[in-house]
Amino acid sequence: AQKITQTQPGMFVQEKEAVTLDCTYDTSDPSYGLFWYKQPSSGEMIFLIYQGSYDQQNATEGRYSLNFQKARKSANLVISASQLGDSAMYFCAMREVTAGGSYIPTFGRGTSLIVHP
Amino acid sequence: DTAVSQTPKYLVTQMGNDKSIKCEQNLGHDTMYWYKQDSKKFLKIMFSYNNKELIINETVPNRFSPKSPDKAHLNLHINSLELGDSAVYFCASSQVDRPKNIQYFGAGTRLSVL
Repeated sequence: AQKITQTQPGMFVQEKEAVTLDCTYDTSDPSYGLFWYKQPSSGEMIFLIYQGSYDQQNATEGRYSLNFQKARKSANLVISASQLGDSAMYFCAMREVTAGGSYIPTFGRGTSLIVHP
Repeated sequence: DTAVSQTPKYLVTQMGNDKSIKCEQNLGHDTMYWYKQDSKKFLKIMFSYNNKELIINETVPNRFSPKSPDKAHLNLHINSLELGDSAVYFCASSQVDRPKNIQYFGAGTRLSVL
């Protein structure tokens, strides 16, 4: 079973509009972390935002916010006021702790976002 | 100053050759990782080293051997390259005892096996 599910292979949004990228996760670890990364066409992986499983408030970083619904195991990324430069692949990722105490990162398959002028 | 740097950025080689990819981080992190990203953009962890010790070793052919001479470096050596090894390989690093344990990635190495 997939630990991170991104159900939207591709999304389109008009410039200046907001867009939500979906992410659901599966874990039995009570202490986990959720991340979003952006991969533009140039190929680098850019960290955007982090949400800890014990964080009471939804994370925000500038135009990025994370809609964290723990009971539903979802961690959707909201990008407000989309810009042309937001066109990229977006990856949701989770960090769990193994029985041995090491951290295992898992990535979703990504969502391709295209921002239209 | 690049935080996580990988060399080379591009690597084109023939089947059967042996090649290495180098990675260095100047963030003072204690953990480094190698990922493989396939043509469908799926990113899968291959190895992780914490303070020069192997802590994650996913199901990867034993033709792939990571080497960590110190905690700032994690190199990936690949023997007897096959067509299916063509992919983008990413190095990353993090500090595991920080609450967020954010991984920072290198720019990637695009490997093409002909």
